[in-house]
Amino acid sequence: NAGVTQTPKFQVLKTGQSMTLQCAQDMNHEYMSWYRQDPGMGLRLIHYSVGAGITDQGEVPNGYNVSRSTTEDFPLRLLSAAPSQTSVYFCASGSVYGYTFGSGTRLTVV
Amino acid sequence: AQSVAQPEDQVNVAEGNPLTVKCTYSVSGNPYLFWYVQYPNRGLQFLLKYITGDNLVKGSYGFEAEFNKSQTSFHLKKPSALVSDSALYFCAVPLSGGYNKLIFGAGTRLAVHP
Repeated sequence: NAGVTQTPKFQVLKTGQSMTLQCAQDMNHEYMSWYRQDPGMGLRLIHYSVGAGITDQGEVPNGYNVSRSTTEDFPLRLLSAAPSQTSVYFCASGSVYGYTFGSGTRLTVV
Repeated sequence: AQSVAQPEDQVNVAEGNPLTVKCTYSVSGNPYLFWYVQYPNRGLQFLLKYITGDNLVKGSYGFEAEFNKSQTSFHLKKPSALVSDSALYFCAVPLSGGYNKLIFGAGTRLAVHP
């Protein structure tokens, strides 16, 4: 089915470990973004991309890196995980006329 | 700076009664406004948007929203609530400088009781 696929769905990391959250879409959208969701704070934009090779920072970019080598993929990297990065992460693609969200990755940093 | 506020953490309503979920905004220029819904353990789903035109916007699942420029509000409404409408609702507005970059309110949890 067409849509946005995120992997993994759950992950536990130790402080200081690194990992990559994967996001892939098959709708040929130019725009993709990463959000984190924390209780009482809604969704906050981490990074976004308007096309292959183009990325930019959102509201809360510190501690995260992204790259966009293809239209389909937009991975989010945590280089040195911290407990403050415990959250649910959502990838989205589309445009302001309608985003499609992935089902999320629940990350716990201990 | 562009922002939205959802003043209620939770809204409780009986099934069959009308519901309103409130959103106020602060934007420069003409506002683009959105509502998204999140069911448990799911990603967000688009409900409706206001770009221009009629102040009353109709969306998915029988929801509608009323844009009120003088009150800077964009409240979500439904004439008759269903238990299945229970979810987390988010109001959103584009971040300045790019219409694709949405920023979201803190969310309002809607609980519809039988």
